[in-house]
Formats: sequence, C-alpha cells, structure tokens
Amino acid sequence: DAGITQSPRHKVTETGTPVTLRCHQTENHRYMYWYRQDPGHGLRLIHYSYGVKDTDKGEVSDGYSVSRSKTEDFLLTLESATSSQTSVYFCAISRGFRGRSGTEAFFGQGTRLTVV
Amino acid sequence: AQSVTQLDSHVSVSEGTPVLLRCNYSSSYSPSLFWYVQHPNKGLQLLLKYTSAATLVKGINGFEAEFKKSETSFHLTKPSAHMSDAAEYFCVVSSHSGGSNYKLTFGKGTLLTVNP
Repeated sequence: DAGITQSPRHKVTETGTPVTLRCHQTENHRYMYWYRQDPGHGLRLIHYSYGVKDTDKGEVSDGYSVSRSKTEDFLLTLESATSSQTSVYFCAISRGFRGRSGTEAFFGQGTRLTVV
Repeated sequence: AQSVTQLDSHVSVSEGTPVLLRCNYSSSYSPSLFWYVQHPNKGLQLLLKYTSAATLVKGINGFEAEFKKSETSFHLTKPSAHMSDAAEYFCVVSSHSGGSNYKLTFGKGTLLTVNP
C-alpha cells in the first residue's frame, strides 16, 4: 500500500470552529489532492498541490484552504466549519504525468468529519 | 475541461452472471482512464488503468475495460460476478494540458449489488 496517512480519522466539531485535516505521504509524489465524498456526488476535488507552496483550487474550494510547506505534508483547513461540510474527506497522491501518460492516484483511508 | 458520466447509478446482477458498468468521458486532450472500487466503509482501490497503450485493459479480480475513442467510452466488464464484487465503482479521467495541472475527475459512481 502507498504510504499515505490521514489524521484524524474521525472528528466531530461545532459549527463556526476551524478544523484542520492532515495528510502525510512517504512516497515523495509531486501531486497531492483533497477530495470530499458525498452520496450521489462521487468524489469532488477541493484543492490540490503540485509542489511545495504550490496549490490550486478544485471544483468545490469555497470555505476551504490548504497549505503545503513540505513535500510530505498537505493540510486542509475548514476556516469556519458549517454543516454542509459534513463529509468524508480523502487525501490522494500521484506522480502526475509520465511521458505521454497519466499515472494513477493512491488514496488515504479517509477522514469522517461531522459538523454539528 | 474533462468530465466523466457513469450511465448507471445502480446495477444489480446475480452471482455468476456478467457485469457491465458503463462510463463515458469527455476530455480536451488525450486522456488516461481509471476504474476504482470502494467497498463499504473502505478506501479506494485501483482496479485498472488505460494510459494510451493497449485499448483492452485487464485489471485485478477478473475485471477488464475497453477504451473506445470513437465512442468516448471506457466500460468495465467481468464475465462472472462474485458476491465479493458488491461495492461502489468509480470511473476516473485524467488529462494534462501542460503546466502543473494534473487532476483526476471522478464520475458519480455505480453501486453494484450481487444477488445470490
């Protein structure tokens, strides 16, 4: 299994509080991603990173920020948690594009976040 | 821009009968395509990938998929379903338009039920 660790695995928080989720990799992959998974929506990209301090928005980035100060760590922050952010969050890593082909992503085990 | 449409949100088959999960994609560039499986309350596991080599791709657990450029399809098949195949399946497209924007876009998923 790819070396990806998400923490915490479960969290319950109150509306309006900030929350930070951590993703740690030991594979030295260039790309790191945060997705959220909700029933009927599949996985939707929140933010991704293509290098240290290099990040970009995904399709559902409102209310979220990210930081990557080291190759191995990618943090997702909910600035002021809302009930609509109750979800399962997955971190993923990828080597990106190699030659003429894209490479697969490897996923962490997920973080179940409940905002009450 | 890229997108994925999984044509069935739920497929139900009997054990021992064939499985067909349908996926159509849209991509402005030469795509790489993947199928992932997610068992209940588990993470995502790569089943197979197409990366511009052979159009018929074999994966784990007897699954295979055929890339058809003219139909923009990448359907997943298995000759004989097993109870352990019951899970949610995601079709994923990646493409690269230059720069550092390697992203993977997920379909909404197909839930496969296998009846005894």
